[in-house]
Amino acid sequence: SQQGEEDPQALSIQEGENATMNCSYKTSINNLQWYRQNSGRGLVHLILIRSNEREKHSGRLRVTLDTSKKSSSLLITASRAADTASYFCATDVWSGGGADGLTFGKGTHLIIQP
Amino acid sequence: GAGVSQSPSNKVTEKGKDVELRCDPISGHTALYWYRQSLGQGLEFLIYFQGNSAPDKSGLPSDRFSAERTGGSVSTLTIQRTQQEDSAVYLCASSLARNTDTQYFGPGTRLTVL
Repeated sequence: SQQGEEDPQALSIQEGENATMNCSYKTSINNLQWYRQNSGRGLVHLILIRSNEREKHSGRLRVTLDTSKKSSSLLITASRAADTASYFCATDVWSGGGADGLTFGKGTHLIIQP
Repeated sequence: GAGVSQSPSNKVTEKGKDVELRCDPISGHTALYWYRQSLGQGLEFLIYFQGNSAPDKSGLPSDRFSAERTGGSVSTLTIQRTQQEDSAVYLCASSLARNTDTQYFGPGTRLTVL
Protein backbone atom coordinates (compact mmCIF):
# COMPACT_ATOMS: atom_id res chain seq x y z
CA SER A 1 0.00 0.00 0.00
CA GLN A 2 1.08 3.59 -0.49
CA GLN A 3 3.01 5.20 2.35
CA GLY A 4 1.77 8.64 1.36
CA GLU A 5 -1.79 9.32 0.37
CA GLU A 6 -2.71 12.72 -1.02
CA ASP A 7 -6.08 14.28 -0.58
CA PRO A 8 -7.92 15.38 -2.63
CA GLN A 9 -7.10 13.39 -5.76
CA ALA A 10 -8.14 16.35 -7.90
CA LEU A 11 -8.69 20.02 -7.15
CA SER A 12 -9.95 22.79 -9.43
CA ILE A 13 -9.90 26.41 -8.24
CA GLN A 14 -9.97 29.92 -9.69
CA GLU A 15 -6.76 31.81 -10.30
CA GLY A 16 -5.86 33.88 -7.26
CA GLU A 17 -7.42 31.50 -4.76
CA ASN A 18 -5.41 29.40 -2.33
CA ALA A 19 -4.97 25.67 -2.87
CA THR A 20 -4.49 23.20 -0.02
CA MET A 21 -3.42 19.60 -0.47
CA ASN A 22 -3.01 17.07 2.29
CA CYS A 23 -0.84 14.00 2.67
CA SER A 24 -1.09 11.19 5.20
CA TYR A 25 1.47 8.49 5.81
CA LYS A 26 1.74 5.36 7.89
CA THR A 27 5.23 4.88 9.35
CA SER A 28 7.78 7.08 11.07
CA ILE A 29 9.77 9.22 8.68
CA ASN A 30 13.10 11.05 8.45
CA ASN A 31 11.66 13.72 6.20
CA LEU A 32 8.78 14.45 3.88
CA GLN A 33 9.18 16.09 0.48
CA TRP A 34 6.69 17.70 -1.88
CA TYR A 35 7.17 17.51 -5.66
CA ARG A 36 5.38 18.95 -8.66
CA GLN A 37 5.04 17.18 -12.00
CA ASN A 38 3.86 18.65 -15.27
CA SER A 39 2.54 16.48 -18.10
CA GLY A 40 3.72 13.20 -16.59
CA ARG A 41 7.43 14.02 -16.73
CA GLY A 42 10.10 15.89 -14.78
CA LEU A 43 9.48 15.85 -11.03
CA VAL A 44 10.38 19.25 -9.60
CA HIS A 45 11.34 19.40 -5.95
CA LEU A 46 9.38 22.00 -3.97
CA ILE A 47 10.10 21.64 -0.27
CA LEU A 48 11.72 19.18 2.14
CA ILE A 49 10.53 19.24 5.74
CA ARG A 50 12.36 17.20 8.35
CA SER A 51 10.66 15.17 11.05
CA ASN A 52 11.67 17.67 13.75
CA GLU A 53 10.19 20.63 11.85
CA ARG A 54 6.58 21.76 11.96
CA GLU A 55 6.34 24.38 9.22
CA LYS A 56 8.37 25.65 6.26
CA HIS A 57 7.83 28.40 3.75
CA SER A 58 9.16 28.92 0.25
CA GLY A 59 7.73 31.83 -1.71
CA ARG A 60 4.01 31.16 -2.14
CA LEU A 61 4.34 27.67 -0.68
CA ARG A 62 3.73 26.71 2.92
CA VAL A 63 4.19 23.18 4.20
CA THR A 64 3.18 21.89 7.60
CA LEU A 65 4.05 18.58 9.22
CA ASP A 66 2.25 16.94 12.13
CA THR A 67 4.14 13.79 13.08
CA SER A 68 1.62 12.90 15.79
CA LYS A 69 -1.09 12.66 13.13
CA LYS A 70 1.32 11.45 10.44
CA SER A 71 0.11 14.13 8.08
CA SER A 72 1.38 17.06 6.06
CA SER A 73 -0.25 19.82 4.08
CA LEU A 74 0.90 21.95 1.15
CA LEU A 75 -0.65 25.38 0.76
CA ILE A 76 -0.18 27.37 -2.44
CA THR A 77 -1.27 30.96 -1.98
CA ALA A 78 -2.47 33.31 -4.73
CA SER A 79 -2.55 30.51 -7.29
CA ARG A 80 -1.57 31.07 -10.92
CA ALA A 81 -2.40 29.20 -14.11
CA ALA A 82 1.21 27.98 -14.18
CA ASP A 83 0.60 26.13 -10.90
CA THR A 84 -1.56 23.62 -12.79
CA ALA A 85 0.22 20.31 -12.27
CA SER A 86 0.19 17.13 -10.22
CA TYR A 87 1.58 17.42 -6.70
CA PHE A 88 3.10 14.49 -4.83
CA CYS A 89 4.22 14.01 -1.29
CA ALA A 90 7.09 11.60 -0.73
CA THR A 91 8.33 10.18 2.53
CA ASP A 92 11.86 9.15 3.36
CA VAL A 93 12.06 6.32 5.86
CA TRP A 94 15.74 5.49 5.47
CA SER A 95 16.85 3.42 8.43
CA GLY A 96 20.58 3.28 7.80
CA GLY A 97 20.56 -0.32 6.65
CA GLY A 98 18.93 -1.08 3.36
CA ALA A 99 17.61 1.66 1.12
CA ASP A 100 13.90 2.17 0.69
CA GLY A 101 14.08 5.27 -1.48
CA LEU A 102 11.27 7.77 -1.40
CA THR A 103 7.74 6.43 -1.17
CA PHE A 104 5.30 8.51 -3.19
CA GLY A 105 1.57 8.99 -2.92
CA LYS A 106 -0.68 8.92 -5.97
CA GLY A 107 -0.74 12.69 -6.17
CA THR A 108 -3.22 15.54 -6.31
CA HIS A 109 -4.01 16.92 -9.74
CA LEU A 110 -4.43 20.68 -9.37
CA ILE A 111 -6.15 22.74 -12.07
CA ILE A 112 -6.11 26.52 -11.88
CA GLN A 113 -8.92 28.06 -13.89
CA PRO A 114 -7.98 31.45 -15.44
CA GLY B 1 26.11 19.28 -15.23
CA ALA B 2 23.33 21.59 -14.22
CA GLY B 3 20.86 18.84 -13.48
CA VAL B 4 20.19 15.14 -13.77
CA SER B 5 20.07 14.02 -17.37
CA GLN B 6 18.65 10.83 -18.82
CA SER B 7 18.82 9.20 -22.19
CA PRO B 8 17.07 8.35 -24.33
CA SER B 9 14.05 10.52 -23.62
CA ASN B 10 11.82 8.06 -25.44
CA LYS B 11 12.37 4.42 -26.32
CA VAL B 12 10.04 2.17 -28.28
CA THR B 13 11.00 -1.47 -28.41
CA GLU B 14 9.55 -4.79 -29.31
CA LYS B 15 8.60 -7.35 -26.71
CA GLY B 16 11.54 -9.63 -25.93
CA LYS B 17 14.27 -7.12 -26.77
CA ASP B 18 16.76 -5.77 -24.24
CA VAL B 19 16.92 -2.05 -23.44
CA GLU B 20 19.45 0.08 -21.63
CA LEU B 21 18.56 3.35 -19.96
CA ARG B 22 21.17 5.86 -18.90
CA CYS B 23 21.32 8.38 -16.06
CA ASP B 24 23.85 11.14 -15.53
CA PRO B 25 23.53 12.49 -11.97
CA ILE B 26 24.40 15.96 -10.77
CA SER B 27 28.16 16.29 -10.46
CA GLY B 28 29.31 15.51 -6.93
CA HIS B 29 26.17 13.67 -5.90
CA THR B 30 27.12 10.36 -4.34
CA ALA B 31 23.62 8.88 -4.11
CA LEU B 32 21.64 7.84 -7.18
CA TYR B 33 18.13 6.40 -7.39
CA TRP B 34 15.95 4.76 -10.02
CA TYR B 35 12.15 4.98 -9.95
CA ARG B 36 9.42 3.86 -12.29
CA GLN B 37 6.14 5.63 -12.93
CA SER B 38 3.26 3.82 -14.57
CA LEU B 39 -0.48 4.41 -14.69
CA GLY B 40 -1.37 1.42 -12.61
CA GLN B 41 1.41 1.55 -10.00
CA GLY B 42 2.15 5.24 -9.58
CA LEU B 43 5.72 6.12 -8.65
CA GLU B 44 7.71 3.19 -7.30
CA PHE B 45 11.27 3.01 -6.04
CA LEU B 46 13.49 0.50 -7.84
CA ILE B 47 17.08 0.75 -6.60
CA TYR B 48 19.56 3.07 -4.91
CA PHE B 49 23.32 3.45 -5.30
CA GLN B 50 25.72 4.91 -2.77
CA GLY B 51 28.85 5.39 -4.81
CA ASN B 52 29.09 2.33 -7.04
CA SER B 53 27.35 -0.10 -4.77
CA ALA B 54 23.67 -0.92 -4.41
CA PRO B 55 23.05 -2.25 -0.90
CA ASP B 56 19.52 -3.44 -1.62
CA LYS B 57 18.19 -4.71 -4.95
CA SER B 58 14.89 -6.03 -3.66
CA GLY B 59 12.95 -3.15 -5.22
CA LEU B 60 13.71 -4.33 -8.74
CA PRO B 61 10.50 -5.82 -10.21
CA SER B 62 12.08 -9.02 -11.55
CA ASP B 63 15.41 -10.64 -12.35
CA ARG B 64 15.12 -9.20 -15.87
CA PHE B 65 16.03 -5.84 -14.34
CA SER B 66 19.59 -4.94 -13.43
CA ALA B 67 21.44 -1.73 -12.75
CA GLU B 68 25.02 -0.68 -12.39
CA ARG B 69 26.95 2.45 -11.65
CA THR B 70 30.57 2.97 -12.55
CA GLY B 71 33.03 5.59 -11.39
CA GLY B 72 30.49 6.88 -8.89
CA SER B 73 28.73 8.77 -11.66
CA VAL B 74 26.76 7.43 -14.63
CA SER B 75 24.28 4.64 -14.04
CA THR B 76 22.56 2.30 -16.46
CA LEU B 77 19.33 0.42 -15.91
CA THR B 78 19.03 -2.64 -18.13
CA ILE B 79 15.82 -4.51 -18.81
CA GLN B 80 16.23 -7.86 -20.53
CA ARG B 81 13.54 -9.60 -22.55
CA THR B 82 11.17 -6.66 -22.20
CA GLN B 83 7.49 -7.26 -21.56
CA GLN B 84 4.54 -4.98 -22.21
CA GLU B 85 4.10 -4.41 -18.47
CA ASP B 86 7.56 -2.82 -18.44
CA SER B 87 6.12 0.16 -20.32
CA ALA B 88 6.48 3.17 -18.03
CA VAL B 89 8.47 6.31 -17.44
CA TYR B 90 11.76 5.49 -15.76
CA LEU B 91 13.01 8.31 -13.56
CA CYS B 92 16.46 8.79 -12.14
CA ALA B 93 17.30 11.03 -9.19
CA SER B 94 20.45 11.99 -7.34
CA SER B 95 21.26 13.55 -4.00
CA LEU B 96 24.38 14.91 -2.39
CA ALA B 97 24.40 12.12 0.17
CA ARG B 98 21.91 9.54 1.27
CA ASN B 99 20.68 10.53 4.66
CA THR B 100 17.74 12.95 4.51
CA ASP B 101 18.92 14.84 1.45
CA THR B 102 16.76 16.35 -1.27
CA GLN B 103 16.51 14.15 -4.36
CA TYR B 104 16.69 15.89 -7.73
CA PHE B 105 14.98 14.14 -10.60
CA GLY B 106 15.85 13.86 -14.25
CA PRO B 107 13.26 14.24 -17.04
CA GLY B 108 12.79 10.49 -17.34
CA THR B 109 12.83 7.94 -20.16
CA ARG B 110 9.45 6.94 -21.54
CA LEU B 111 9.67 3.26 -22.45
CA THR B 112 7.03 1.70 -24.67
CA VAL B 113 7.12 -2.03 -25.26
CA LEU B 114 5.03 -3.10 -28.23
